[in-house]
Amino acid sequence: EAQVTQNPRYLITVTGKKLTVTCSQNMNHEYMSWYRQDPGLGLRQIYYSMNVEVTDKGDVPEGYKVSRKEKRNFPLILESPSPNQTSLYFCASRPTPGLSYNEQFFGPGTRLTVL
Amino acid sequence: QKEVEQNSGPLSVPEGAIASLNCTYSDRGSQSFFWYRQYSGKSPELIMFIYSNGDKEDGRFTAQLNKASQYVSLLIRDSQPSDSATYLCAVRNTGTASKLTFGTGTRLQVTL
Repeated sequence: EAQVTQNPRYLITVTGKKLTVTCSQNMNHEYMSWYRQDPGLGLRQIYYSMNVEVTDKGDVPEGYKVSRKEKRNFPLILESPSPNQTSLYFCASRPTPGLSYNEQFFGPGTRLTVL
Repeated sequence: QKEVEQNSGPLSVPEGAIASLNCTYSDRGSQSFFWYRQYSGKSPELIMFIYSNGDKEDGRFTAQLNKASQYVSLLIRDSQPSDSATYLCAVRNTGTASKLTFGTGTRLQVTL
C-alpha cells in the first residue's frame, strides 16, 4: 500500500529534550516536506527536500532541523524543543517537483506536546 | 494580506443542500489549485485539483477557477453529514520548489 508513515503519532516531552520524528514514504517520491498545523494558522511548511541531500527552509524553520540521506526517509529533529513547538506535525511527499499538478500525500500526523 | 484566504466558518448547510466554499489567492503566478478535506485530528486528503479556468466536476464535487479574479471555489452537491469537515484550499506556484501554500480552512457542518 502506497503511504507516508510517521512515528511517533503522539509525544509528550519536556523543554530542551532533543527529539526526532521519523517520516518514511514507499512511493519513491523525490519531494518531501514537513508542516505544522496550529489553530487559526493553518498548515505551514517547516522544511522541504527536493531530493537526497537537498533540503531547504520553508516558512517556519526556526528550531527545527532535517536531513535527507535516503530517498524514502525525511526525519524532523527538534534539538531543544520549546512549548511554542507544541503542534500537530505532518510529513508529506509527492513526485517530480516540477509538475505542478502532482498530488501531495500526507502522513497521519504527529501530535507533539512540549511541557 | 494572506497568500491564500478562506472564511473560517463554520458554514452550516442542511443535508441535501449545496455547500459553496470559497478561496482567494494573492500570487498571480499560481498555476494549480487544490481542495483538501480534513477531519478533526486527521491528515488532509485530496478531493480535487484544477489548473484551467472554468469548472471541473468529479461526482458531487465541482471546483471552479477564475484566474482573473484570483478566486477558486468548491461546490458540494447533495451534502451529507459525512461531508462535515474542514476544507483546505491550497495553491501551488511555478518555480523549482513548487511550494504548496494552504489557506486556514473552512469548517463545514452538514446538519440533519
